[in-house]
Amino acid sequence: KQEVTQIPAALSVPEGENLVLNCSFTDSAIYNLQWFRQDPGKGLTSLLLIQSSQREQTSGRLNASLDKSSGRSTLYIAASQPGDSATYLCAVSGGGTSYGKLTFGQGTILTVHP
Amino acid sequence: DTGVSQDPRHKITKRGQNVTFRCDPISEHNRLYWYRQTLGQGPEFLTYFQNEAQLEKSRLLSDRFSAERPKGSFSTLEIQRTEQGDSAMYLCASSPRRGGTAGELFFGEGSRLTVL
Repeated sequence: KQEVTQIPAALSVPEGENLVLNCSFTDSAIYNLQWFRQDPGKGLTSLLLIQSSQREQTSGRLNASLDKSSGRSTLYIAASQPGDSATYLCAVSGGGTSYGKLTFGQGTILTVHP
Repeated sequence: DTGVSQDPRHKITKRGQNVTFRCDPISEHNRLYWYRQTLGQGPEFLTYFQNEAQLEKSRLLSDRFSAERPKGSFSTLEIQRTEQGDSAMYLCASSPRRGGTAGELFFGEGSRLTVL
């Protein structure tokens, strides 16, 4: 059974810092890995999708890497801003026909203070 | 708005009542998923449809839960005889066919259920 772990559970940083969120998974046979952002009481917003054949993806100040063989992904946020405060969730998708069936980590709660 | 739409956003009900949630996916997406999220946890998979066919159901989905997707468009999730343990956020997501972004899920805002 796939298990996803996110470290740290919570992170508080001053504005402007670069930061790294970590995600690990137990079964390396994944189809893809997705990073999401969730604001309190809201749904999930997709940030980055990395296919299993890729090593990284970038969008603006965000960069996500994937090391499938070691079961790890990192989300790098550059020059953090108070608006980045949210819960960040990592999720992996199994292979075969279940490519949209995601297993999520518990999330990292990020607070960026001015 | 071309995103995933869910209704209602919040439902408060008494234990034992039935509730139904509706999800309208992104129009060109053929897959639709339901997830459940409790406070402080990541979402957990419940079930998914490819067009109108329900292809997989999680063991979390007890006999009191039923989901449909008639005509492969919108979907409904019904919970019968609600229990306090059903209180959670019910999230719907859709994804496109296999291809460049296949497997990328787009979520709605969720339907929060509170069972008193």
